[in-house]
Amino acid sequence: DAGVIQSPRHEVTEMGQEVTLRCKPISGHDYLFWYRQTMMRGLELLIYFNNNVPIDDSGMPEDRFSAKMPNASFSTLKIQPSEPRDSAVYFCASSYAGGTGGGWGYTFGSGTRLTVV
Amino acid sequence: SQQGEEDPQALSIQEGENATMNCSYKTSINNLQWYRQNSGRGLVHLILIRSNEREKHSGRLRVTLDTSKKSSSLLITASRAADTASYFCATERNTGNQFYFGTGTSLTVIP
Repeated sequence: DAGVIQSPRHEVTEMGQEVTLRCKPISGHDYLFWYRQTMMRGLELLIYFNNNVPIDDSGMPEDRFSAKMPNASFSTLKIQPSEPRDSAVYFCASSYAGGTGGGWGYTFGSGTRLTVV
Repeated sequence: SQQGEEDPQALSIQEGENATMNCSYKTSINNLQWYRQNSGRGLVHLILIRSNEREKHSGRLRVTLDTSKKSSSLLITASRAADTASYFCATERNTGNQFYFGTGTSLTVIP
C-alpha cells in the first residue's frame, strides 16, 4: 500500500479563493481524520469520519470549512472563501478501529502546505 | 494544544546520549501514543501505551505512563543523528476514538 496520499503537496492561493484539499486513505482503514498544524496552535483535530460518516466536526474553525467523504477511498477538505489565517499544513490520517486496533496508531499523509496570500 | 503539553519544548544532545521527553495531559484517557515528525513530513507512529499499562518498550524506545499524575515519558536510548525530529504525544480520551496531540518536543542529536 502506498500509504495515505494527499494532494496537492503545496497550494498557494489568493484570499477569497476556494481551496480543496484531497486525501486517499489506506485501503481497509475505517477512520479518517483531518488535522491542521501551525506553529502557534500545534496539531488541531478538525474533523473525523468513521465508515465515511462524519462523527465529530467540533474542531472545524468556522463555516468556511467543510469536509466530505463520499466513499471509503476519498475525502476532501474545502475552504471557501480562504483567508490568510488559514495558512497551515493540513494533514490527513487514517486508521483501523480508531487507532487503537492492534496498537498501530494513525498513518499520516505527507500533508498539504497551504499558503493564502 | 487541544490536550497535552510536551516538555521540554526543545532538547539538544550528543549522539550516544539518552533523550527523555515528557508529556502531561488534562483529562482521563484510554490510550496514549507517541509520534515522530521529521521536518516537512507527516507524523510517524512510534508506540502506543494503554491506560492500564505502566511501561512499554520498543527497540531503543521506552515509554512510561502515570495516570495518577496524568503524565507520560518517552526515553530514547543511545541516540543517533537520525533521531533528530519533533516528538509528539497523543491521547485518546475516554469519550471517543479521536486522538489529541501535544505541542511537541524538538530533539536535535548532534553527531
